[in-house]
Amino acid sequence: EPEVTQTPSHQVTQMGQEVILRCVPISNHLYFYWYRQILGQKVEFLVSFYNNEISEKSEIFDDQFSVERPDGSNFTLKIRSTKLEDSAMYFCASSDQRGTTDTQYFGPGTRLTVL
Amino acid sequence: AQSVTQLGSHVSVSEGALVLLRCNYSSSVPPYLFWYVQYPNQGLQLLLKYTSAATLVKGINGFEAEFKKSETSFHLTKPSAHMSDAAEYFCAVKKTGANNLFFGTGTRLTVIP
Repeated sequence: EPEVTQTPSHQVTQMGQEVILRCVPISNHLYFYWYRQILGQKVEFLVSFYNNEISEKSEIFDDQFSVERPDGSNFTLKIRSTKLEDSAMYFCASSDQRGTTDTQYFGPGTRLTVL
Repeated sequence: AQSVTQLGSHVSVSEGALVLLRCNYSSSVPPYLFWYVQYPNQGLQLLLKYTSAATLVKGINGFEAEFKKSETSFHLTKPSAHMSDAAEYFCAVKKTGANNLFFGTGTRLTVIP
């Protein structure tokens, strides 16, 4: 069964460093998402991406964040200068349709720890 | 704004007992509601979703949820818990016309042998 994969599973970085989280969505999907979950808090939407551009983003997704689909398979989330409060589990998701009832398929997450 | 509230961050049930995980939504318009499950070290997996076609929704692994507008609830149930049901369960809502999901804080289900 096709699945979304994410690498690395755990990333430790120093405050102020840049990190890139990688995701490989399901191959025929066209819509991509990033969510995050700070420990003990809700899973929060960050950004959605379609046709090589951002379609929606939340207030969390500020100028420190960027997304890219550098090739036909990867979807990346970059944090330019990490802060302590960026420590969280980051989930990538993809769907083959865009709409209220579509199903988003999630990856296993990358745990980011900022020291 | 649309949101969901999950009552009980931890629920423990005995193997074979009824599972009831609570989710209440806050919405001024009919919402689209989802239940996701996360097994250890895995991604979020869709259990079921409510899209206004039927108020009782059946999902995978024997789970079902009933949409009750009068109670603004979408509780998840399973008649008989199995050890393999131990996981974290998330209720989520999507507002009409939007793609992003709004999640609850999750409920960790423990099944006691």
